[in-house]
Amino acid sequence: NAGVMQNPRHLVRRRGQEARLRCSPMKGHSHVYWYRQLPEEGLKFMVYLQKENIIDESGMPKERFSAEFPKEGPSILRIQQVVRGDSAAYFCASSPPWAREKGQPQHFGDGTRLSIL
Amino acid sequence: EDQVTQSPEALRLQEGESSSLNCSYTVSGLRGLFWYRQDPGKGPEFLFTLYSAGEEKEKERLKATLTKKESFLHITAPKPEDSATYLCAVHGSSNTGKLIFGQGTTLQVKP
Repeated sequence: NAGVMQNPRHLVRRRGQEARLRCSPMKGHSHVYWYRQLPEEGLKFMVYLQKENIIDESGMPKERFSAEFPKEGPSILRIQQVVRGDSAAYFCASSPPWAREKGQPQHFGDGTRLSIL
Repeated sequence: EDQVTQSPEALRLQEGESSSLNCSYTVSGLRGLFWYRQDPGKGPEFLFTLYSAGEEKEKERLKATLTKKESFLHITAPKPEDSATYLCAVHGSSNTGKLIFGQGTTLQVKP
C-alpha cells in the first residue's frame, strides 16, 4: 500500500491524558500536513511540516498541541492533557517536494478518530 | 481572507438524474482548486485539480469546471456508488500549501 498511512485508526483517551497520532507519507513525498475535522464541521488546516522543519503552524492551538516530522520515522501530532473538545477526526496529507510552487494535490490518509472520555 | 462556500449542503438524486454541485471561493492569487470525494469513515480522495478560469477536467460521470469566482462539479447520470460527500478546497494566498476547505456537499443517489 503506497498511500498515506495513519495510526491508530481509533484512539480513546481520558481527559488529561496524552494522545499521539502517527502519519507516514506516500513514498516520494516529503511534505506533510495535518488537518482536523470536528463533528459537523469542515476540514481545518493545523500544521505543515517538512523533514525536521515546521513550515506553517498557523492552525495549531497555542497550547497542548505540537507536531514533528523527524529525519527518520513518521510525523507525530501530539496532544497533551486532552479535553473533550479535542474529540475529532485528525487527517494527515502528503505532497511531493515541488508542491509549493504550483498547487499540487495533497493525498490524504484515512484519519485517526480521537475520542475523549 | 481566503474562503470557500459549497452549496447545496445536501443533495438527493434519483439514479440517472444529472445535477451540479457549486463551490464559490474568495482567494487572492489562486494556485489551485481541488475537488475531493469523502466516504464515511475514510479520508478525502483526490478527484481533480483546476488552475485557471475556463479549465475543465473530466473523469467517468464527473466533470469539474472553473470560473474566476466559482467551480462546478457536474454529475451526469449518477449511480448509487456516487453517493459520498464532495469537498472543494483552494490553495490560495498562503505560500505554504495550506488548503482551505468548504463544508462539503453530501450527495445521496437512490436507485
